[in-house]
Amino acid sequence: DAGVTQSPTHLIKTRGQQVTLRCSPKSGHDTVSWYQQALGQGPQFIFQYYEEEERQRGNFPDRFSGHQFPNYSSELNVNALLLGDSALYLCASSLLGGSTQYFGPGTRLLVL
Amino acid sequence: EDQVTQSPEALRLQEGESSSLNCSYTVSGLRGLFWYRQDPGKGPEFLFTLYSAGEEKEKERLKATLTKKESFLHITAPKPEDSATYLCAVQAETGNMLTFGGGTRLMVKP
Repeated sequence: DAGVTQSPTHLIKTRGQQVTLRCSPKSGHDTVSWYQQALGQGPQFIFQYYEEEERQRGNFPDRFSGHQFPNYSSELNVNALLLGDSALYLCASSLLGGSTQYFGPGTRLLVL
Repeated sequence: EDQVTQSPEALRLQEGESSSLNCSYTVSGLRGLFWYRQDPGKGPEFLFTLYSAGEEKEKERLKATLTKKESFLHITAPKPEDSATYLCAVQAETGNMLTFGGGTRLMVKP
């Protein structure tokens, strides 16, 4: 049973560029959440997608946007990258009615 | 606003030396409290979900407990392979997002 997968594993971008990160949820899950984890800190909630719609959003600017596809996979897009966007980006999947979220290995983004 | 505070920030133990990690929380109606283990550079690995005060869950050398204001993760006779960062998170009844604490970095020396 495949768990949550994310791609790419690492990414280097320069300020002002745009980036797209991808996530495939655990088999049978229909809900995808995205988190940002700065070095030495706990993850911070960005947003959650269910039925291809954004259901809940954390305290992140509009530069952060997402999408969910009919097969439940998801993308996180970040525009106009800032140095402060450097972090580990985590995707978590769950069932909408369930509470436990299972995380993928993350994408390490470095903005220079 | 939901808040989670974990203590200590870092903990060094000798192999076999039992201890506890603390997670204090405030949330507007608790749906669940979660413990995760995170190894460096990897995603959090799910350990436990606790739903109501008085509940306890165990897995190998780990035992999680929950009160109305805090949760403890007890580690009995730890081994070096238990070294990791342990994250605590809460989920409110009103939403699905997880609010995380800063984590406790555990180092177990042989």
